Amino acid sequence: GENVEQHPSTLSVQEGDSAVIKCTYSDSASNYFPWYKQELGKRPQLIIDIRSNVGEKKDQRIAVTLNKTAKHFSLHITETQPEDSAVYFCAPTRYSGSARQLTFGSGTQLTVLP
Amino acid sequence: EADIYQTPRYLVIGTGKKITLECSQTMGHDKMYWYQQDPGMELHLIHYSYGVNSTEKGDLSSESTVSRIRTEHFPLTLESARPSHTSQYLCASSEPGQGYQETQYFGPGTRLLVL
Repeated sequence: GENVEQHPSTLSVQEGDSAVIKCTYSDSASNYFPWYKQELGKRPQLIIDIRSNVGEKKDQRIAVTLNKTAKHFSLHITETQPEDSAVYFCAPTRYSGSARQLTFGSGTQLTVLP
Repeated sequence: EADIYQTPRYLVIGTGKKITLECSQTMGHDKMYWYQQDPGMELHLIHYSYGVNSTEKGDLSSESTVSRIRTEHFPLTLESARPSHTSQYLCASSEPGQGYQETQYFGPGTRLLVL
């Protein structure tokens, strides 16, 4: 199965600073790379994703970069705000026909300090 | 409103009891999943289904069972609850989008405490 590692497991930043979370995976056939955000007591929600033929994608203050050769992708949050505090999960995914293999990372607890 | 629903939201039960956690989605998705998650911790896939009459075990060994008789309904059953089953259970559904995009939509979760 896929081995997925997220680093760091916890991250504290000052409001306004940037945060970067890295996800390393083992399955070279993975071809879809989403990030989910789970606020305290709430359900996980997709915040950004990238396909294997794209190197970077941005959506306002968040971005995802992909290095397929090195088998890692990263979540970048700029100008962090207190509402960015949450647990973030990566979920590298391999599609083969209609079958799908998805593995969630162990999560990164981000705390934005006011 | 199209959404995914779970009941009960909280459940406290004694050891040895049989319980069923309900999950329903009104989004018309074929694929549904059950995850076990301790608060703020890793998501562990315990069961999934690609459609009616399709059920598969996930990565985490579980003593639970599931059924998929209707597209919108994916209940999870524990025949004999134990304290080690205490956790949060999240149901999810998904539908393929463009290319390989596939968003998982999660339910609000059921927090189970087995005494």
